[in-house]
Amino acid sequence: SAVISQKPSRDICQRGTSLTIQCQVDSQVTMMFWYRQQPGQSLTLIATANQGSEATYESGFVIDKFPISRPNLTFSTLTVSNMSPEDSSIYLCSVEEGGTGGSGEQYFGPGTRLTVT
Amino acid sequence: AQSVTQPDIHITVSEGASLELRCNYSYGATPYLFWYVQSPGQGLQLLLKYFSGDTLVQGIKGFEAEFKRSQSSFNLRKPSVHWSDAAEYFCAVGAHGNKLVFGAGTILRVKS
Repeated sequence: SAVISQKPSRDICQRGTSLTIQCQVDSQVTMMFWYRQQPGQSLTLIATANQGSEATYESGFVIDKFPISRPNLTFSTLTVSNMSPEDSSIYLCSVEEGGTGGSGEQYFGPGTRLTVT
Repeated sequence: AQSVTQPDIHITVSEGASLELRCNYSYGATPYLFWYVQSPGQGLQLLLKYFSGDTLVQGIKGFEAEFKRSQSSFNLRKPSVHWSDAAEYFCAVGAHGNKLVFGAGTILRVKS
């Protein structure tokens, strides 16, 4: 399976600022996903990021708040903009392996633990 | 819309005892089903997956799960739990190219 790294692993930020999270994969993948895991909660998809197209956002998430870049097949960034304490969460990127014949299994990075004060 | 229900928020088992974590799903087509484990401060690790074929699937760390279409269930089992299995377990449903929808998770505690 792909090896996924995220930077930073954790950060403490002031409200009103922005943080960009990086996700790096050791192989080329078409589909990348960004999830949020709020404290004590399950994972919720923020957006799907495919190389060569605009990210697709889930209901409740907007591009102005969570802009995503996907410049190539091994890298993506998620920015959390104008942060508030409610943005305190773990942010995880994942990739789906298998190309067009894939079966939906996703592999996750270690996550970025964000605390907003 | 697809959904996943994990009815047990917490489960405590004794080390060496058997384990079953419940998962029920709702999905409009043939589901792809997954179990992930998240240890404290860690990311998610894929334990096992079901796509088609044999309804009993084997995973890593001695886990297995059985797909029962008639019950819309995909319960995770392990015959003998080790202290290192203490973690949070997530059931998820999805498909190729689509998002995964996760259950709320079950926190497993192992007592010695």
